[in-house]
Amino acid sequence: AQSVTQLGSHVSVSEGALVLLRCNYSSSVPPYLFWYVQYPNQGLQLLLKYTSAATLVKGINGFEAEFKKSETSFHLTKPSAHMSDAAEYFCAVTTTSGGSYIPTFGRGTSLIVHP
Amino acid sequence: KAGVTQTPRYLIKTRGQQVTLSCSPISGHRSVSWYQQTPGQGLQFLFEYFSETQRNKGNFPGRFSGRQFSNSRSEMNVSTLELGDSALYLCASTRDSQTTDTQYFGPGTRLTVL
Repeated sequence: AQSVTQLGSHVSVSEGALVLLRCNYSSSVPPYLFWYVQYPNQGLQLLLKYTSAATLVKGINGFEAEFKKSETSFHLTKPSAHMSDAAEYFCAVTTTSGGSYIPTFGRGTSLIVHP
Repeated sequence: KAGVTQTPRYLIKTRGQQVTLSCSPISGHRSVSWYQQTPGQGLQFLFEYFSETQRNKGNFPGRFSGRQFSNSRSEMNVSTLELGDSALYLCASTRDSQTTDTQYFGPGTRLTVL
């Protein structure tokens, strides 16, 4: 079985400050990991994904995440927060077995950016 | 290229009724997945269709069903609605059924069950 834990349902930062959103996963097989962003009244948009290539993954809008197998983590970071980054962020894991997969999402972290 | 579209965007039903939601994937995409999003349970995978066949299924009761047409458009049906079915239903399309493919999400259908 696989699971995803996002530490902190809300994270508050000041504009220009470092953004760190935490994601820990559990998986019995090598995982594929994703970060999505959801703005109000919209669907999810992929920020970045890890697919067993480079452990440091760069995504859109200046976000990046590092896969750390020993810590079973895939934390999302951005050096400098913008007001437009305020949204809900979801970490997700999928594993493949016999050609099929079921994706599992974390509960989400709401990023609040103060001016 | 047009994105994933979902209709209707909002729906109000009463307990016991049934509902059908529609999803049109991005042109050329053959896989459509459905998700239920609620404040209490978060985002949960319902099922995935690929080339008109259900490939994967999440842990939902049989009241939740779906189908996919030859043009890849998909419908999701919920029968005998319960209050707990109130949620945002999202669909996502991918080019094919690979775990590493990027999923493109639609804006969702917000279902309210009274």
